[in-house]
Amino acid sequence: DTEVTQTPKHLVMGMTNKKSLKCEQHMGHRAMYWYKQKAKKPPELMFVYSYEKLSINESVPSRFSPECPNSSLLNLHLHALQPEDSALYLCASSQVDLIIYNEQFFGPGTRLTVL
Amino acid sequence: KQEVTQIPAALSVPEGENLVLNCSFTDSAIYNLQWFRQDPGKGLTSLLLIQSSQREQTSGRLNASLDKSSGRSTLYIAASQPGDSATYLCAVRVNTNAGKSTFGDGTTLTVKP
Repeated sequence: DTEVTQTPKHLVMGMTNKKSLKCEQHMGHRAMYWYKQKAKKPPELMFVYSYEKLSINESVPSRFSPECPNSSLLNLHLHALQPEDSALYLCASSQVDLIIYNEQFFGPGTRLTVL
Repeated sequence: KQEVTQIPAALSVPEGENLVLNCSFTDSAIYNLQWFRQDPGKGLTSLLLIQSSQREQTSGRLNASLDKSSGRSTLYIAASQPGDSATYLCAVRVNTNAGKSTFGDGTTLTVKP
């Protein structure tokens, strides 16, 4: 199984809502990533979890709160978002051995619209 | 700070043509380089991963090369097909922060039947 799954596929939320994005992989990967991608731009790294611990936070606003409850799951909790946060949110995973990170596999993404 | 550039931004070729996509990076102390394709509104599909110790990798009609000293990688696509139409992205990991990938802006390829 070389698949990363993401739910939901689409999400529309108001600026006062609280919602969560979910990502799951069963490849035994111990590194998981959240990226944000705006139209016609490359993905921008938001967070990296390594062995269920947050290892990289790219100065992301606190209205985005990541969580890695176990080695297969990654969540992104959203609260008080702004319209400019509308984007495609991509999850990825890879093998990691200490500091050696290998090939990344991406999920299909969640298309988020903030009204 | 690693900067990754992909030129051209867009490329249109007739079906059957062989083509080369380019990826340049400023910091040669890379850990690995990965090529992806992305269809509109979709996630990224991994094509090839080249470790820093490797010179090239091949998968089917695709061949990726890596020249660290010159800060360049190329993706060669043989006998292009309309189904190859997509945006191709390269991503580089550097030794000092291997958890982070830096992406180029991508090359959008259109293969005309």
